[in-house]
Amino acid sequence: QKEVEQNSGPLSVPEGAIASLNCTYSDRGSQSFFWYRQYSGKSPELIMFIYSNGDKEDGRFTAQLNKASQYVSLLIRDSQPSDSATYLCAVKKGTPLVFGKGTRLSVIA
Amino acid sequence: ETGVTQTPRHLVMGMTNKKSLKCEQHLGHNAMYWYKQSAKKPLELMFVYNFKEQTENNSVPSRFSPECPNSSHLFLHLHTLQPEDSALYLCASSGDTAGGNTEAFFGQGTRLTVV
Repeated sequence: QKEVEQNSGPLSVPEGAIASLNCTYSDRGSQSFFWYRQYSGKSPELIMFIYSNGDKEDGRFTAQLNKASQYVSLLIRDSQPSDSATYLCAVKKGTPLVFGKGTRLSVIA
Repeated sequence: ETGVTQTPRHLVMGMTNKKSLKCEQHLGHNAMYWYKQSAKKPLELMFVYNFKEQTENNSVPSRFSPECPNSSHLFLHLHTLQPEDSALYLCASSGDTAGGNTEAFFGQGTRLTVV
């Protein structure tokens, strides 16, 4: 069983729509959850983190965490072509980050 | 300017060469990491250093040799690599590996090609 699972995509959404990215994790004791964005050939950059159950909003981004279901998601409202990238989910439990394979998002103008 | 700097950005080396990758962080972090990212594969953790001590080695072949002289600098020494070692090598740093709520910041990576 993979530790962090993401649908590899590509996920295609029209410009202005809501993009929904999902991630599940296997270690129930995981404490911290992160979303990174990685453009092709570039290093990952942190866009959001969440530690508690529920929603956390930051601009157009909303992270949602459900520890009982071992599920974390990222919503991107009003998607823009510049949001086209690979989104990496990462999970931490007192150890280095464990990354999922990433979901490739394509926002179509 | 990034808080985590990697050099060189690109490296082409032969299988018999010896080279080193360098990483420096200016964030006051105590933990530093080496990750490998091959095409169409997720990030793979290679090594972790916490307060200059190696705390994880994820079954990395001995042709990769890390060195952490202090909390701000991390090296990856390379020798007798194979073509399949060609990848993007990423350095990252974070506040503390024991802390639950510390995100990692990445350098820009070194694109390594082994010929």
